[in-house]
Amino acid sequence: AQKVTQAQTEISVVEKEDVTLDCVYETRDTTYYLFWYKQPPSGELVFLIRRNSFDEQNEISGRYSWNFQKSTSSFNFTITASQVVDSAVYFCALSETPYNQGGKLIFGQGTELSVKP
Amino acid sequence: EPEVTQTPSHQVTQMGQEVILRCVPISNHLYFYWYRQILGQKVEFLVSFYNNEISEKSEIFDDQFSVERPDGSNFTLKIRSTKLEDSAMYFCASRSGTDKNIQYFGAGTRLSVL
Repeated sequence: AQKVTQAQTEISVVEKEDVTLDCVYETRDTTYYLFWYKQPPSGELVFLIRRNSFDEQNEISGRYSWNFQKSTSSFNFTITASQVVDSAVYFCALSETPYNQGGKLIFGQGTELSVKP
Repeated sequence: EPEVTQTPSHQVTQMGQEVILRCVPISNHLYFYWYRQILGQKVEFLVSFYNNEISEKSEIFDDQFSVERPDGSNFTLKIRSTKLEDSAMYFCASRSGTDKNIQYFGAGTRLSVL
Protein backbone atom coordinates (compact mmCIF):
# COMPACT_ATOMS: atom_id res chain seq x y z
CA ALA A 1 0.00 0.00 0.00
CA GLN A 2 1.09 3.53 -0.68
CA LYS A 3 1.08 5.87 2.25
CA VAL A 4 2.68 9.11 3.35
CA THR A 5 2.76 10.08 7.01
CA GLN A 6 3.54 13.51 8.36
CA ALA A 7 3.34 13.02 12.10
CA GLN A 8 3.70 16.71 12.94
CA THR A 9 0.34 18.41 12.55
CA GLU A 10 1.47 21.87 13.62
CA ILE A 11 4.84 23.43 14.37
CA SER A 12 5.37 26.88 15.75
CA VAL A 13 8.78 28.54 15.80
CA VAL A 14 10.21 31.97 16.28
CA GLU A 15 11.81 33.70 13.34
CA LYS A 16 15.42 32.65 12.65
CA GLU A 17 15.00 29.26 14.27
CA ASP A 18 15.74 26.16 12.21
CA VAL A 19 12.85 23.78 11.72
CA THR A 20 12.63 20.24 10.33
CA LEU A 21 9.45 18.77 8.87
CA ASP A 22 9.26 14.99 8.96
CA CYS A 23 7.91 12.69 6.27
CA VAL A 24 7.76 8.91 6.27
CA TYR A 25 6.47 6.95 3.30
CA GLU A 26 5.42 3.41 2.45
CA THR A 27 5.61 1.83 -0.96
CA ARG A 28 6.14 -1.60 -2.49
CA ASP A 29 7.78 -0.21 -5.60
CA THR A 30 11.51 0.16 -6.09
CA THR A 31 11.00 3.10 -8.44
CA TYR A 32 9.19 6.11 -7.06
CA TYR A 33 9.35 9.87 -6.64
CA LEU A 34 9.03 12.00 -3.53
CA PHE A 35 7.95 15.62 -3.43
CA TRP A 36 7.47 18.53 -1.11
CA TYR A 37 4.81 21.14 -1.84
CA LYS A 38 4.07 24.35 0.03
CA GLN A 39 0.56 25.71 0.52
CA PRO A 40 0.66 29.33 1.73
CA PRO A 41 -2.42 30.98 3.24
CA SER A 42 -3.51 32.06 -0.24
CA GLY A 43 -4.21 28.37 -0.95
CA GLU A 44 -2.21 27.43 -4.02
CA LEU A 45 0.15 24.45 -4.05
CA VAL A 46 3.72 25.37 -4.86
CA PHE A 47 6.23 22.74 -5.93
CA LEU A 48 9.45 22.81 -3.88
CA ILE A 49 11.48 19.71 -4.66
CA ARG A 50 11.40 16.26 -6.25
CA ARG A 51 13.60 13.26 -5.49
CA ASN A 52 13.62 9.90 -7.22
CA SER A 53 14.26 6.64 -5.44
CA PHE A 54 17.67 6.23 -7.06
CA ASP A 55 19.03 9.53 -5.86
CA GLU A 56 19.77 9.65 -2.16
CA GLN A 57 22.03 12.65 -2.46
CA ASN A 58 20.77 15.29 -0.13
CA GLU A 59 20.28 18.78 -1.41
CA ILE A 60 20.59 22.30 -0.11
CA SER A 61 18.91 25.18 -1.86
CA GLY A 62 19.35 28.47 -0.07
CA ARG A 63 17.65 28.13 3.32
CA TYR A 64 16.02 24.83 2.35
CA SER A 65 17.57 21.39 2.63
CA TRP A 66 16.25 17.90 2.21
CA ASN A 67 17.35 14.60 3.77
CA PHE A 68 16.29 11.47 1.89
CA GLN A 69 17.02 8.14 3.57
CA LYS A 70 15.71 4.97 1.91
CA SER A 71 16.78 2.84 4.87
CA THR A 72 14.23 4.56 7.08
CA SER A 73 11.77 5.53 4.29
CA SER A 74 12.06 9.15 5.26
CA PHE A 75 12.24 12.38 3.29
CA ASN A 76 12.65 15.24 5.75
CA PHE A 77 12.70 18.93 4.95
CA THR A 78 14.63 21.56 6.91
CA ILE A 79 14.26 25.32 6.80
CA THR A 80 17.26 27.16 8.19
CA ALA A 81 16.81 30.59 9.74
CA SER A 82 13.05 30.54 9.28
CA GLN A 83 11.18 33.66 8.21
CA VAL A 84 7.58 34.77 8.66
CA VAL A 85 7.00 34.21 4.93
CA ASP A 86 7.72 30.51 5.46
CA SER A 87 4.44 30.21 7.34
CA ALA A 88 2.38 27.72 5.35
CA VAL A 89 1.18 24.15 5.24
CA TYR A 90 3.83 21.83 3.84
CA PHE A 91 2.85 18.60 2.13
CA CYS A 92 5.03 15.61 1.43
CA ALA A 93 3.87 13.48 -1.51
CA LEU A 94 4.73 10.17 -3.19
CA SER A 95 4.34 9.04 -6.78
CA GLU A 96 4.79 5.37 -7.61
CA THR A 97 4.29 5.48 -11.36
CA PRO A 98 6.38 8.22 -12.81
CA TYR A 99 6.91 6.75 -16.23
CA ASN A 100 3.47 5.84 -17.43
CA GLN A 101 0.38 7.91 -18.03
CA GLY A 102 -0.67 7.76 -14.39
CA GLY A 103 1.70 9.30 -11.91
CA LYS A 104 -0.85 10.31 -9.29
CA LEU A 105 0.46 12.00 -6.17
CA ILE A 106 -0.32 10.57 -2.74
CA PHE A 107 -0.15 13.32 -0.15
CA GLY A 108 0.54 13.29 3.55
CA GLN A 109 -1.73 15.10 5.95
CA GLY A 110 0.42 18.20 5.88
CA THR A 111 2.33 20.09 8.55
CA GLU A 112 1.22 23.61 9.36
CA LEU A 113 4.25 25.74 10.06
CA SER A 114 3.79 29.01 11.88
CA VAL A 115 6.79 31.32 12.08
CA LYS A 116 6.33 34.13 14.57
CA PRO A 117 8.31 37.38 14.47
CA GLU B 1 6.50 31.62 -16.32
CA PRO B 2 3.77 29.27 -17.60
CA GLU B 3 1.12 28.41 -15.07
CA VAL B 4 -2.03 26.36 -14.63
CA THR B 5 -5.12 28.56 -14.59
CA GLN B 6 -8.37 27.61 -12.88
CA THR B 7 -11.74 29.33 -13.09
CA PRO B 8 -13.75 30.31 -11.21
CA SER B 9 -11.82 30.87 -8.00
CA HIS B 10 -15.00 30.33 -5.98
CA GLN B 11 -18.20 28.60 -7.04
CA VAL B 12 -21.33 28.54 -4.93
CA THR B 13 -24.09 26.15 -5.92
CA GLN B 14 -27.22 24.53 -4.59
CA MET B 15 -27.28 20.84 -3.75
CA GLY B 16 -28.33 18.81 -6.77
CA GLN B 17 -27.07 21.31 -9.31
CA GLU B 18 -24.44 20.57 -11.92
CA VAL B 19 -21.13 22.41 -11.80
CA ILE B 20 -18.25 22.60 -14.23
CA LEU B 21 -14.82 23.54 -12.99
CA ARG B 22 -12.44 24.76 -15.63
CA CYS B 23 -8.70 24.49 -15.99
CA VAL B 24 -6.19 25.61 -18.57
CA PRO B 25 -3.08 23.45 -18.13
CA ILE B 26 0.40 24.53 -19.14
CA SER B 27 0.42 24.54 -22.93
CA ASN B 28 2.94 21.81 -23.76
CA HIS B 29 1.88 19.45 -20.99
CA LEU B 30 0.41 16.05 -21.76
CA TYR B 31 -0.86 14.72 -18.43
CA PHE B 32 -3.70 16.27 -16.48
CA TYR B 33 -5.06 15.73 -13.01
CA TRP B 34 -7.80 16.75 -10.64
CA TYR B 35 -7.36 16.66 -6.88
CA ARG B 36 -9.58 17.86 -4.08
CA GLN B 37 -8.92 19.13 -0.58
CA ILE B 38 -11.70 19.21 1.97
CA LEU B 39 -11.13 22.10 4.36
CA GLY B 40 -8.32 21.35 6.78
CA GLN B 41 -7.57 17.95 5.29
CA LYS B 42 -5.01 16.50 2.95
CA VAL B 43 -5.03 16.74 -0.81
CA GLU B 44 -6.72 13.71 -2.42
CA PHE B 45 -6.31 12.39 -5.95
CA LEU B 46 -9.45 12.25 -8.07
CA VAL B 47 -8.47 11.44 -11.65
CA SER B 48 -5.65 11.48 -14.16
CA PHE B 49 -6.09 12.05 -17.89
CA TYR B 50 -3.76 11.31 -20.77
CA ASN B 51 -4.15 10.96 -24.52
CA ASN B 52 -7.81 11.98 -24.30
CA GLU B 53 -8.83 9.33 -21.84
CA ILE B 54 -8.88 8.67 -18.11
CA SER B 55 -5.74 6.79 -17.08
CA GLU B 56 -6.61 6.34 -13.43
CA LYS B 57 -9.37 7.36 -11.04
CA SER B 58 -9.92 7.10 -7.33
CA GLU B 59 -12.88 5.72 -5.40
CA ILE B 60 -14.06 9.30 -4.92
CA PHE B 61 -14.46 9.74 -8.67
CA ASP B 62 -17.83 8.03 -9.05
CA ASP B 63 -20.47 8.30 -11.76
CA GLN B 64 -21.32 11.84 -10.66
CA PHE B 65 -17.93 13.03 -11.86
CA SER B 66 -16.63 13.37 -15.39
CA VAL B 67 -13.69 15.02 -17.09
CA GLU B 68 -13.26 16.36 -20.56
CA ARG B 69 -10.71 18.06 -22.70
CA PRO B 70 -13.06 19.69 -25.21
CA ASP B 71 -10.37 21.54 -27.13
CA GLY B 72 -6.63 21.85 -27.17
CA SER B 73 -6.43 24.00 -24.07
CA ASN B 74 -9.22 23.44 -21.54
CA PHE B 75 -9.58 20.57 -19.09
CA THR B 76 -12.86 20.43 -17.21
CA LEU B 77 -14.28 18.60 -14.21
CA LYS B 78 -18.05 18.19 -14.11
CA ILE B 79 -20.07 17.19 -11.09
CA ARG B 80 -23.55 16.23 -12.27
CA SER B 81 -25.56 16.50 -9.08
CA THR B 82 -23.64 18.13 -6.29
CA LYS B 83 -23.85 16.96 -2.70
CA LEU B 84 -23.02 18.85 0.46
CA GLU B 85 -19.93 16.68 0.89
CA ASP B 86 -18.58 17.83 -2.48
CA SER B 87 -17.73 21.15 -0.85
CA ALA B 88 -13.96 21.39 -1.11
CA MET B 89 -11.08 23.06 -2.90
CA TYR B 90 -10.52 21.46 -6.28
CA PHE B 91 -7.06 21.62 -7.79
CA CYS B 92 -6.08 21.00 -11.37
CA ALA B 93 -2.52 19.94 -12.15
CA SER B 94 -0.52 19.16 -15.24
CA ARG B 95 2.85 17.71 -16.11
CA SER B 96 4.89 17.55 -19.26
CA GLY B 97 5.87 13.91 -19.25
CA THR B 98 9.52 14.79 -19.60
CA ASP B 99 9.95 17.07 -16.59
CA LYS B 100 10.71 14.36 -14.05
CA ASN B 101 7.04 13.85 -13.12
CA ILE B 102 6.70 17.28 -11.55
CA GLN B 103 3.05 18.26 -11.36
CA TYR B 104 2.26 21.96 -11.41
CA PHE B 105 -0.93 23.03 -9.69
CA GLY B 106 -3.44 25.76 -10.30
CA ALA B 107 -4.63 28.09 -7.54
CA GLY B 108 -7.74 25.97 -7.06
CA THR B 109 -11.50 26.46 -7.21
CA ARG B 110 -13.33 26.57 -3.92
CA LEU B 111 -16.68 24.83 -4.36
CA SER B 112 -19.36 25.55 -1.80
CA VAL B 113 -22.49 23.41 -1.98
CA LEU B 114 -25.43 24.81 -0.02
